This record gives sequence, structure tokens and C-alpha cells, in this order.
Amino acid sequence: EVQLVESGGGLVQPGGSLRLSCAASGFTVSSNYMSWVRQAPGKGLEWVSVIYSGGSTYYADSVKGRFTISRHNSKNTLYLQMNSLRAEDTAVYYCARGAGIAGAFDIWGQGTMVTVSS
Amino acid sequence: QSALTQEASVSGTVGQKVTLSCTGNSNNIGSYAVGWYQQISHGAPKTVMFGNSLPSGIPDRFSGSKSGTTASLTISGLQPEDEADYYCSTWDYSLSAVVFGGGTKLTVL
Repeated sequence: EVQLVESGGGLVQPGGSLRLSCAASGFTVSSNYMSWVRQAPGKGLEWVSVIYSGGSTYYADSVKGRFTISRHNSKNTLYLQMNSLRAEDTAVYYCARGAGIAGAFDIWGQGTMVTVSS
Repeated sequence: QSALTQEASVSGTVGQKVTLSCTGNSNNIGSYAVGWYQQISHGAPKTVMFGNSLPSGIPDRFSGSKSGTTASLTISGLQPEDEADYYCSTWDYSLSAVVFGGGTKLTVL
């Protein structure tokens, strides 16, 4: 079964760091483009970052310089390292698999909640 | 302000056909296919269409189309379980970013 399972969310103070993980099963992470998408409480979906199969990465302006997307091929896992966290980063973070067409996704994880608060 | 524009809300009765729209520009929808996602009660999004493809398990009452810089998701024969928030997304080459619409709340009356 094709599945994505996120973990690593939690409560962190402003300025702190957190690393999210997204474990994939049923397909190979490194053969697909993978993204992180977040949703703040009561808000819509917001794209965060993408990593392509060739290794190229892109980020939303709101997280550029603070977040880093990466993958571990042998663990078949996607990561999001989040540094210098701000209150506005509070959201549910979803990982998603690219659908083979740019900017669209076909498989989503269940999400992990990140709360940035003192 | 989202890069893609969707109706804030749409409503329809059971059995009716409804169409949701997603409007962008030549840098995004005008150049790339679009994905559509259903989110029920702020649970995890579920893909209901990407490009012209219907994911496995999605009923064929869902269909997608695109004309110029506007994409559309049509639900023929609306069902109570279709009540949800719907989002669209695509790539924007001028921003080098994935862009989402603000979402449409679909109410089944």
C-alpha cells in the first residue's frame, strides 16, 4: 500500500528548531518529487517546499533560509528541518508525493502538528 | 492573497451538477496542469483529480478541465459526502513555487 506517515511535530518555543519526518511505503521517495504543505489553524493549504528526484529544492519565500528539505534514500524518508521558528509557522504539516505533473500531488500523509509558542 | 483564485463558497443540491473554478495566469495554470484536493473537516487532503487523471477510488462523477488560465472541477450528481473544502494547485514558473488556491467550501443542501 502506498502510504506517507509524518512524525516529529510538537510544541517549540519561538526561535527553536524541529525536524519533521515523512516515512514512505509502497514507492521510492527518491524517484518522485516530494513536497511539504502546511495548514495554519482555520486557514487554507500553503506550499512550503519541494525536492525533485534529481535533488533540486525550492522553498516558499516565507520559509526560505530557515527550513531545509532533504531525504534519506535508504530509509525512504523525507525530512523538513525547521530552524528559527516563528509563531506564524504554527500549522499542521503534510508531506505529499508529486503526481508526475508539476505542482500537483497524488498521495498525502495524515499530517503532524507544529505549535510555536512560549 | 493566493496566487490562484477560487470561489469562497459554492452550494448545490443532491444530484445536481456543480463546477468549481480555479483562475491563475499564463505563468501557472496557462502553462501547467492542475491538481484538485478534497478536505473534509480539516482532515488530511485527498486528491480527487490531477491533470485529466482520476485517482484510483475516486468516483467518476468528478471530472476536470482547463481553458486558458482557468481550471475547473465538475461534480456531476452531487452527493452528501462531497461536502468539503476543495483546493487547486499547480506550478508557477515565474515564482519557482507551487501555488495553491484559497479553497472553495462546497455545501450540499
